[in-house]
Amino acid sequence: QVQLLESGGGLVKPGGSLRLSCAASGFTFRDYYLTWVRQAPGKGLEWVSYISGGSTYTNYADSVMGRFTISRDNAKKSLYLQMNSLRAEDTAVYYCARGQMTTATLFDYWGQGTLLTVSS
Amino acid sequence: SYVLTQPPSVSVAPGKTARITCGGNHIGSQSVQWYQQKPGQAPVLVIYYNSDRPSGIPERFSGSNSGNTATLTISRLEAGDEADYYCQAWDSSGDHPVFGGGTKLTVL
Repeated sequence: QVQLLESGGGLVKPGGSLRLSCAASGFTFRDYYLTWVRQAPGKGLEWVSYISGGSTYTNYADSVMGRFTISRDNAKKSLYLQMNSLRAEDTAVYYCARGQMTTATLFDYWGQGTLLTVSS
Repeated sequence: SYVLTQPPSVSVAPGKTARITCGGNHIGSQSVQWYQQKPGQAPVLVIYYNSDRPSGIPERFSGSNSGNTATLTISRLEAGDEADYYCQAWDSSGDHPVFGGGTKLTVL
């Protein structure tokens, strides 16, 4: 069955950096768009970034543009989110989710999330 | 940017029908998805392409989309349906997905 497992969350000081990972199994990893979605404490879902199967297409929310970088390693079946210049408002649970083969218009499987806390 | 508007909360008695709306400019011209999120859990896709149900989602869950409003309908409401529900569509100008603010469904 499809599984997504995030890791790498933790406590980081403002201005710091962190890389999140998402390990996938149960499907042909290279064929699918993947996305990061975050949820601040007590708030709603916010899309962060997506990447196509071959890494050709990426996109970012305005709130993270220039600070976050999404990438993937299809050989390792892993998705990454490099986060730099972190701010308090980046504090959230970060979910990776599977999109479709040709777009990121819907997300049919989600990981359990990893918590990032940005605080001094 | 494309904005999706949901009521913050909806309360319905068990056994009745809950309807959760998602407003967006000409939302009826695109596909809408709905996700269910229970406390401490990841979101789960319950409706895609406006009205399709993934395998394992009860037939009690249905969706519609027309004009400026998409609607998630949950019939024969059960206590286990109590959750936050999020609609999701596509912002074609920014070429990215967008979520509504979420609706907390309370089963009275």
